Parts: sequence; C-alpha cells; structure tokens
Amino acid sequence: GAGVSQTPSNKVTEKGKYVELRCDPISGHTALYWYRQSLGQGPEFLIYFQGTGAADDSGLPNDRFFAVRPEGSVSTLKIQRTERGDSAVYLCASRGQTTDTQYFGPGTRLTVL
Amino acid sequence: DQQVKQNSPSLSVQEGRISILNCDYTNSMFDYFLWYKKYPAEGPTFLISISSIKDKNEDGRFTVFLNKSAKHLSLHIVPSQPGDSAVYFCAAYNYGQNFVFGPGTRLSVLP
Repeated sequence: GAGVSQTPSNKVTEKGKYVELRCDPISGHTALYWYRQSLGQGPEFLIYFQGTGAADDSGLPNDRFFAVRPEGSVSTLKIQRTERGDSAVYLCASRGQTTDTQYFGPGTRLTVL
Repeated sequence: DQQVKQNSPSLSVQEGRISILNCDYTNSMFDYFLWYKKYPAEGPTFLISISSIKDKNEDGRFTVFLNKSAKHLSLHIVPSQPGDSAVYFCAAYNYGQNFVFGPGTRLSVLP
C-alpha cells in the first residue's frame, strides 16, 4: 500500500502483560516517528528514528517502553509490564528525505484492563 | 510547558462561512509549521504547511498565515463545508528534531 500501516488496529491486554505494536512506513521514508495520543490531547512525541538508529528517544516515558527499527523500515514499539495509564492510541508517522511533512498511520488503540 | 497551544478546544461555523483556527507557539526556533485534520478512529491527515520564511501559503480552500513576530499562525477555510468537521491539530518542527503538536481544535461545520 501507499500509506503508513499499523498493526494491530486494536489491542486489549491485561495489566502487567507485554505488548508489541508494529508500524510499516511509506516505502523509502527514512524517518519514522512514534506518538501517543490520549483522549482530548494532541499526539505526544515518543521516539524518532532516522534509518535504523533512534535519533531522539527523549519522549519515551520510562524504561518499560522500547522501540526498534532493525532494518530501517518496519518498526516495533514494545511496552513491558503494561499499566492502565498506558491506554491510548499509538500513532506512527514517516517522513521522506526531501520533505518536512510527516504522514501518519491509522494508529493502534491500546487498552490495558 | 506547552510549546504549541490551540486555545480554542472547539469551534462551530455555518456552512459556506469562513472557519479560522488559531495556533500559538513559544519556541522561536521552529522552522516549519503544519496543520493536520483528524477524523474519529483515523490517523491525522496532512492538510497544509508553511515554512518560517513565508507568511502565507494557500491550497484551494485552505490558507495558512504565519506571524513570526507574534509567534502565531492561523488556518482559514473558505468556504467551510460539513465534511470539514474534524479535529484540527497545529504542529511545529525544528529541522533535525521532533514535531510538537498542539492539543487540537474540534471544528463543527453546521449545514
């Protein structure tokens, strides 16, 4: 497909469990961003990859959150020991080298019970 | 400290009239500004952008104005249509760094 895709679209888990959220960026886009959006708020920056490396991970709230992008394309956001406060929509966006515009995926709605 | 602010959480406009959405920022180092539109259960969709070296950018019914001295930008939609009803996010970007988003303004265009 032409756009950013994210899987799963919805994830329900129990407190304390581990989850992985996947993002498949637009082909050829070198920059990839993860955001978290809570109800009534704008997207909150988590981490930014340029290629395979994390260029800025200052938005990750704590060490339970980790993200990888081993081949410079698909990225996985990993959350350990989930807490109810982790419930939110997790958005992924990608950006090409010749543009300043990010393009978002549809998001993964995470619910921690 | 919120670097990007959208002080109006909601706005209602009659169909055919102008919608004006406002955004203020605090970081004078921002190089680029974007507006995104978001429908429920979808990711934000890019709408229009403006570089800090310009003061206006127009694309069809959408125009973004930037006032750097006031650290203020606005999105004008003329004429407004019911399909424009969505949440609009303002975002700011500093080259090589991450994007900062405002909290959004919910626009309702009434038929």
